[in-house]
Amino acid sequence: QQQVKQSPQSLIVQKGGISIINCAYENTAFDYFPWYQQFPGKGPALLIAIRPDVSEKKEGRFTISFNKSAKQFSLHIMDSQPGDSATYFCAASKISGTASKLTFGTGTRLQVTL
Amino acid sequence: DAGVTQSPTHLIKTRGQQVTLRCSPKSGHDTVSWYQQALGQGPQFIFQYYEEEERQRGNFPDRFSGHQFPNYSSELNVNALLLGDSALYLCASSWTGLMAFFGQGTRLTVV
Repeated sequence: QQQVKQSPQSLIVQKGGISIINCAYENTAFDYFPWYQQFPGKGPALLIAIRPDVSEKKEGRFTISFNKSAKQFSLHIMDSQPGDSATYFCAASKISGTASKLTFGTGTRLQVTL
Repeated sequence: DAGVTQSPTHLIKTRGQQVTLRCSPKSGHDTVSWYQQALGQGPQFIFQYYEEEERQRGNFPDRFSGHQFPNYSSELNVNALLLGDSALYLCASSWTGLMAFFGQGTRLTVV
């Protein structure tokens, strides 16, 4: 049962362009939505995260947009750079007391071309 | 500050064997979670340890077991290895439930 659906599977963007990755979730109990960046042979690195009480969060060139009613959230990478080429995963969890498990999307392989 | 460290980085085992993977959490973190990442897939939650007890478990068989030590480090044990257990095993640590930090993983190959 896939609780977090991610699209597209792969994405090619020109340098300087905007990369947009979308995710949709099913479990309305989720209350924490992080995005992770993973380079080949490395573990996922936390990029940016949002709680459902805000609709948008921006950190540098990375922005999360969150639509609670539609149960969707997206990552926008502005001014995309070749160094952004990596696999991006959205995730969701329900924070309850101590740490909670992350449910990941299937990933988006981003390639930024010159 | 060392982040999450995992050992070994690579491992090759034969079907039916047993394997132990190790994880040291980021300084200040008390919760350790383990994930399995098959090639081209997102990480799948195996289980989570807090205060030396398994607190949550994903949809993995009992062949997968773990342990957390008083210093918060953790081990993942897999018995009776199957070819399908070949994957990148990731350890993540956190403190408040937010901002889980991942190690670089252990690449397990079962032949």
